[in-house]
Amino acid sequence: QQQVKQSPQSLIVQKGGISIINCAYENTAFDYFPWYQQFPGKGPALLIAIRPDVSEKKEGRFTISFNKSAKQFSLHIMDSQPGDSATYFCAASKNSGNTPLVFGKGTRLSVIA
Amino acid sequence: GAVVSQHPSWVICKSGTSVKIECRSLDFQATTMFWYRQFPKQSLMLMATSNEGSKATYEQGVEKDKFLINHASLTLSTLTVTSAHPEDSSFYICSARASNRVNEQFFGPGTRLTVL
Repeated sequence: QQQVKQSPQSLIVQKGGISIINCAYENTAFDYFPWYQQFPGKGPALLIAIRPDVSEKKEGRFTISFNKSAKQFSLHIMDSQPGDSATYFCAASKNSGNTPLVFGKGTRLSVIA
Repeated sequence: GAVVSQHPSWVICKSGTSVKIECRSLDFQATTMFWYRQFPKQSLMLMATSNEGSKATYEQGVEKDKFLINHASLTLSTLTVTSAHPEDSSFYICSARASNRVNEQFFGPGTRLTVL
């Protein structure tokens, strides 16, 4: 049972364009939704995260949109750059110290000039 | 802040030997650490959850006698792959959660294990 479904699997965006990655979750007990960026051969790095009490969070070129009723959240990368080319993972967890993150399957983003 | 290191970054070993991977939280105390493995072009697969001073909790299908986890202090957890075989070759990544920052997990840079 896949608790967090992520799409698309891969994405090609022109430089300067908007990259959009979507995730849907099933467990209504989830209340923390981070996005991670991973470059080849490196560990994932926390990019931005949101909690269900807000519908949107923006940090620089990165924005999370959250729809609690639809149980969906998305990552928007504005003005995409070649340096943004990486694999992005959405995740979710419950508000508990020992609860691990549940990851989506990842989206491989390629930003082309 | 919130830096996690792993050592070694890569290791090559012969089949049948044991390999120890260290995970350290450098600037915070980690009450909980997690160990993942990741195959090429795939997502992270949780292996076990490790709490300081107690036994690790393993995910279904992960052999606890093969993947020994020790969380000896609030800044160090180790994963020992015992009697490694080629199918254990993978990218092993740890993450740590700070006691004062609920939910947030900070990942190490990973360890590439190749078993010949």
